[in-house]
Amino acid sequence: NAGVTQTPKFQVLKTGQSMTLQCAQDMNHEYMSWYRQDPGMGLRLIHYSVGAGITDQGEVPNGYNVSRSTTEDFPLRLLSAAPSQTSVYFCASSYWGQEQETQYFGPGTRLLVL
Amino acid sequence: RKEVEQDPGPFNVPEGATVAFNCTYSNSASQSFFWYRQDCRKEPKLLMSVYSSGNEDGRFTAQLNRASQYISLLIRDSKLSDSATYLCVVGGGGGNKLTFGTGTQLKVEL
Repeated sequence: NAGVTQTPKFQVLKTGQSMTLQCAQDMNHEYMSWYRQDPGMGLRLIHYSVGAGITDQGEVPNGYNVSRSTTEDFPLRLLSAAPSQTSVYFCASSYWGQEQETQYFGPGTRLLVL
Repeated sequence: RKEVEQDPGPFNVPEGATVAFNCTYSNSASQSFFWYRQDCRKEPKLLMSVYSSGNEDGRFTAQLNRASQYISLLIRDSKLSDSATYLCVVGGGGGNKLTFGTGTQLKVEL
């Protein structure tokens, strides 16, 4: 199993550009989520999904869209990039409903918005 | 007040030392508790879950105090390879949503 994969690893954008961060998992997990990590702050939840076709907002959803057309994939779209979106983005997955279950994280995407 | 608070450190300790981290959480309805480890520029990985009765995994011991709403992690006989940031993570009722602390940095030195 590859686990959780994310592409790209690094990206530089100009303000106003749009892009999609890809996330895929091969563990058949129902639950997937996107976090951003900034210095001095804990990981913050952007959006999450409890299964194909179902998504919901997390703590910091503004400026981001998600979709979940398959169990495996959960892309994160930046609609119009802003410097405040410079961050490290982590995708994670786990089984749904088992609160003691581990969340598995992808390796992260480092995004710089100029 | 932050939902999950940790001392950011860094904690600089010699190899072989015992070190303890504490974490406090504000939501009394929280039901699941974890310690994650994050190496520099890497993704977080689960170190251990924390149970009400306390639990131990080798050199690592985790404790939960629900009345005082704090969680602790004790590392005995520190190794150089333990150098990392330790994230306190709390889950609320009703699903998998987790709240992460900002992390405590540990540096183990020769």
